[in-house]
Amino acid sequence: QKEVEQDPGPLSVPEGAIVSLNCTYSNSAFQYFMWYRQYSRKGPELLMYTYSSGNKEDGRFTAQVDKSSKYISLFIRDSQPSDSATYLCAMGETSGSRLTFGEGTQLTVNP
Amino acid sequence: EAQVTQNPRYLITVTGKKLTVTCSQNMNHEYMSWYRQDPGLGLRQIYYSMNVEVTDKGDVPEGYKVSRKEKRNFPLILESPSPNQTSLYFCASSSTGPPNEQFFGPGTRLTVL
Repeated sequence: QKEVEQDPGPLSVPEGAIVSLNCTYSNSAFQYFMWYRQYSRKGPELLMYTYSSGNKEDGRFTAQVDKSSKYISLFIRDSQPSDSATYLCAMGETSGSRLTFGEGTQLTVNP
Repeated sequence: EAQVTQNPRYLITVTGKKLTVTCSQNMNHEYMSWYRQDPGLGLRQIYYSMNVEVTDKGDVPEGYKVSRKEKRNFPLILESPSPNQTSLYFCASSSTGPPNEQFFGPGTRLTVL
């Protein structure tokens, strides 16, 4: 069983839709949680990270962590065609340790 | 411009022929790592380095070697490549390791015949 499970999609939505991307994990030692965005033929880039359960908002993006359920989500409001990319969740146990990524969800936002 | 560079970007080789993929960063980062990305498996960490001369295994280190003799460089060595090492490889660096933002290179697509 993978430590981090992520629905690979693909997910296709119309412009302006609210998008929900999700990951579940099995390792209760994970302390911090991150979302990376990867455009086609590019390396991933960090979108958001959080340590604690609850919500963290940054513009149109909201990261949500529920440690009791071992479940994290990324919400994208008012989605734009420029949001079309693969979104990867990632998590780790302690600072500086190895990072474990989900498989990635491929998102397409149609104009 | 702050960046992570990898060379080569594309490589086709044959089984058993030793190869090195170079990685260099110009941000004075202490932490560097190598990942491979495969369909259905996502990004998996191969090795990481907390600083010069300090390296540790990630999730899939078998068949790979690394060295960190200088802060800016972190080459990935495949002593005897096999077809199951055909993949997309990314190098990344960050100031002090996760959760600090990791800056990824552009990727190296390796095919082993």
